[in-house]
Amino acid sequence: ETVMTQSPATLSVSPGERATLSCRASQSVSSNLAWYQQKPGQAPRLLIYGASARATGIPARFSGSGSGTEFTLTISSLQSEDFAVYYCQQYNNWPFTFGQGTKLEIK
Amino acid sequence: EVQLVQSGAEVKKPGESLKISCKGSGYSFTSYWIGWVRQMPGKGLEWMGIINPGDSDTRYSPSFQGHVTISADKSITTASLQWSSLKASDTAMYYCARLSAVAGEFDYWGQGTLVTVSS
Repeated sequence: ETVMTQSPATLSVSPGERATLSCRASQSVSSNLAWYQQKPGQAPRLLIYGASARATGIPARFSGSGSGTEFTLTISSLQSEDFAVYYCQQYNNWPFTFGQGTKLEIK
Repeated sequence: EVQLVQSGAEVKKPGESLKISCKGSGYSFTSYWIGWVRQMPGKGLEWMGIINPGDSDTRYSPSFQGHVTISADKSITTASLQWSSLKASDTAMYYCARLSAVAGEFDYWGQGTLVTVSS
């Protein structure tokens, strides 16, 4: 099974600043990686697929990069609505797997 | 508009059986795989398995194989997740989600069904 490791577990950032979240795969997943955002009491929402493509309706301040085993989600200028938990998910190797999540909190 | 609407919250006793559902609308139900994701209280997302509603081809994560059954009825555009004998450790929120046509990401999600198993 491909283990996805996200870091840090919690990230404290001030509104307006940049946030950088990391996701590492235990083996190559090529570019078959997605990022999701989950707010309390809500279902996850797809942000990024194919490692770098924004899903429909996702603001340009969200960007994804990486391939192989190292991936990054960057939020360029944090808005109040961006504070949430973020998960990466690989869909290159069976079974598909999620990372454990990074909680983005207000500093 | 694509929608996945899940059945309501359930409270069950250990050993009981349960089937929860996920009704798709606003798209061709048989053209997209549907998956299930578990989220235990205060924890992260766990990928359980997927089904092709067109031919009922089903794939399970090894962690869930044999513990749950995923099914679909294309005549009513509904996917289901069922247990034959619940355990307290099955207490969780369960989400259904649609697998995108392009690859393996979930592009639309249901609202979740909370399952509580307690004696």
